[in-house]
Parts: sequence; structure tokens; C-alpha cells
Amino acid sequence: DQQVKQNSPSLSVQEGRISILNCDYTNSMFDYFLWYKKYPAEGPTFLISISSIKDKNEDGRFTVFLNKSAKHLSLHIVPSQPGDSAVYFCAVYRNNNAGNMLTFGGGTRLMVKP
Amino acid sequence: EPEVTQTPSHQVTQMGQEVILRCVPISNHLYFYWYRQILGQKVEFLVSFYNNEISEKSEIFDDQFSVERPDGSNFTLKIRSTKLEDSAMYFCASSVRGVGSPLHFGNGTRLTVT
Repeated sequence: DQQVKQNSPSLSVQEGRISILNCDYTNSMFDYFLWYKKYPAEGPTFLISISSIKDKNEDGRFTVFLNKSAKHLSLHIVPSQPGDSAVYFCAVYRNNNAGNMLTFGGGTRLMVKP
Repeated sequence: EPEVTQTPSHQVTQMGQEVILRCVPISNHLYFYWYRQILGQKVEFLVSFYNNEISEKSEIFDDQFSVERPDGSNFTLKIRSTKLEDSAMYFCASSVRGVGSPLHFGNGTRLTVT
């Protein structure tokens, strides 16, 4: 199942710089998109979301961009902090999904160096 | 902040044995879910539960799996006869509403089948 792909398994960024995490999806029926952060031995923690009627949503240091024509989603973290080091998952909902099933990407491990 | 709690944190069982994983969702949430993550792989959807019945399930959720909300607070996942390939982290999640509402995850139960 490759409906949601995060092509970079890892990303290393210097503290204070921008982190850009990318996600591609294949199904145009997806219409609600989320980013989760996961630390070891913990469950995924919701970060930020965006619906398909928008192309940008911002919450503090986190901004999510949606390019529907390219079926591409990205998460920008500015400025990056060492505490941001974690695995980041994008996740999507289908718009006719009665069961509210989230489909996750494979994750990108972000390392922010002090 | 309210959180989803899961017990036990780690469960070791022998192949063929039954296991019950327990979850207490956030109290005002109406939708409940189980996901799992096999080591090194994606977070995968198992089942969603609303209004005391399964609303959607994946191919993974075969006859060996069942879910139950035995009272007003607990949500359980039972695996009737465990197999080696059931070894994974199992995450419970809950959400206030359906599609478009972020899922809040517990910290997971690590199931090891020997």
C-alpha cells in the first residue's frame, strides 16, 4: 500500500534552521491531511492539520502546505530546535470514509543538531 | 491535558495464546481505534469503533481479532490465538468526531509473541 509516501527516511538539520518534511499521496479522494510527531516509546502526537480547501495552515513554528495538483504535502518547522528531533508521519483521511480511517506515510526521522 | 492510556506497556505471550490489550480513551471522545506498527514498518490501521459497533476494519483485522467496549470507559482489543507475526506495537486512539477530527494516541502496548 503506497498511497502515502514519505520518500526521505531521515533528515538532519542545524538548530535554528528550517526543517522541511515532505509527503506525497496518490489518491485525489483524500481531503484532510495531518502531521504527527513520534518519540521513541510513545504514541504519535498530533501536530497540525489542513483540509483540502486550504493550501496553508500555520501554528506557531509549524506550517503545513498543501499542493493538491501535485498531490504533495509538506511540513515546515522554523526555527528548528533539538527537541523537535523525532519521527514525523503524514496521515490522510478519505472524504467518503465512514470509518474515519487514517492512512499513514512511512515516516521521516528528523535530527536537529545543536 | 486528557490522554489515552494503554495497559500493559509490554506483553509477552506464547504463540497460540489469547491476549487482551486494554485502553482507556479520552472521556468525551466518541470514536475509538486500534492501530499497530510492526518494527521498522508503517503505522497500520486495524479497526474503528463508533456507537458500540465496528465502523471500519482493515484486512489485517481478521477473525482472530475482536474489539469490545465492555463499560463506559474501557476499549479492548483481543487476539484469540496469537501468531509470531502479531508481534508489534499496538496503539489505541480516540477522537471527538469523525472525519477531520485528529486522533489522539496512547503510548502503545508492545506485544511480543514467542
